[in-house]
Amino acid sequence: QKEVEQDPGPLSVPEGAIVSLNCTYSNSAFQYFMWYRQYSRKGPELLMYTYSSGNKEDGRFTAQVDKSSKYISLFIRDSQPSDSATYLCAMRGAGNNRKLIWGLGTSLAVNP
Amino acid sequence: NAGVTQTPKFQVLKTGQSMTLQCAQDMNHNSMYWYRQDPGMGLRLIYYSASEGTTDKGEVPNGYNVSRLNKREFSLRLESAAPSQTSVYFCASSADSLYEQYFGPGTRLTVT
Repeated sequence: QKEVEQDPGPLSVPEGAIVSLNCTYSNSAFQYFMWYRQYSRKGPELLMYTYSSGNKEDGRFTAQVDKSSKYISLFIRDSQPSDSATYLCAMRGAGNNRKLIWGLGTSLAVNP
Repeated sequence: NAGVTQTPKFQVLKTGQSMTLQCAQDMNHNSMYWYRQDPGMGLRLIYYSASEGTTDKGEVPNGYNVSRLNKREFSLRLESAAPSQTSVYFCASSADSLYEQYFGPGTRLTVT
């Protein structure tokens, strides 16, 4: 079993829909949780991060962490065609270990 | 501010040939990383360097060598390329205490 599980999709939604993307993990030591967005033929870029549990909101994007269930989510409200990309979750523990553990990524298409 | 740059963008090699992928960052980051990304396998860490003069193996180091030339530059060498090394290679960097890795645009390598 991989440390981080993420359904690769693809996920296809109409413009304006609410999108829910999820990852589960097995390592209870993870403290930092990130969502990266990767457009086709580009490098990943950080979209949001959360430390420990809770919610974080940035515009149309909300990141949630439920450490008791070992489950993280990214919600996209009023989705736009420009949101079409692959979304990767990543996480790491506390301390000096800089290595991130990555999900496989979920491919999202928002159709106009 | 260029961020993370990678050269070349594309490369085709024959089996057994060697090449070096170059990466440079201008953000004064101590940590640098080399990943490969393959369909269905996600991002996999090849090598990383926590600071100038240090390198450590990641998840898939076999067939690769790295050099941390100075704080800015981190190169990846394939001594004898194999078809299994056909992939997209990403370089990334991060500051010491942070979670965020900044990625370059990638190098698309095909080994025939």
